[in-house]
Amino acid sequence: GENVEQHPSTLSVQEGDSAVIKCTYSDSASNYFPWYKQELGKGPQLIIDIRSNVGEKKDQRIAVTLNKTAKHFSLHITETQPEDSAVYFCAAPLGGSARQLTFGSGTQLTVLP
Amino acid sequence: EPEVTQTPSHQVTQMGQEVILRCVPISNHLYFYWYRQILGQKVEFLVSFYNNEISEKSEIFDDQFSVERPDGSNFTLKIRSTKLEDSAMYFCASSLNGANEKLFFGSGTQLSVL
Repeated sequence: GENVEQHPSTLSVQEGDSAVIKCTYSDSASNYFPWYKQELGKGPQLIIDIRSNVGEKKDQRIAVTLNKTAKHFSLHITETQPEDSAVYFCAAPLGGSARQLTFGSGTQLTVLP
Repeated sequence: EPEVTQTPSHQVTQMGQEVILRCVPISNHLYFYWYRQILGQKVEFLVSFYNNEISEKSEIFDDQFSVERPDGSNFTLKIRSTKLEDSAMYFCASSLNGANEKLFFGSGTQLSVL
């Protein structure tokens, strides 16, 4: 069935290093790809999103790249800080409907001071 | 900054009881959603709501579930007869435009069914 796969499930980096999280999706009709950050005890918070008509989008230390041919997109965080530690989820609308946002399984990012 | 608010933050109930989870979406948003997250698992779509009716629902959203917008500000999720497997964090979300774009999530209600 339609799915979003996310890797890795856990990621530890040293403060100041870069972190990359990757997702693949199955529905070639998907056209919107958000990334959410979830801190402990809170709801997911949108940090960046990209539409299928662009290949890359950047917002300060955060960037997302999209490869529609390969059906994968990635989150890049540069100059990581301890406050970047959280669970990150990718998502995509799947199943032929634009209204069902399907989330990846999440990546626990730990930034070590 | 406007936010989605959910009450209560924690709800404990006995199996078979009815629960109502409440949400106040962002005031100018038009699309409303419920998601749930079982401990340690991914966030799962339950239902979307627009123009006073359900737009989409997942397989999880069976006859035990219902949603309602009883007034101009609240959006509720009712579980008619709770099961143990309904224990999860339930998130309400809203968006200004449809198609699941730029969803704003509340902090969630942790439902524990005993």
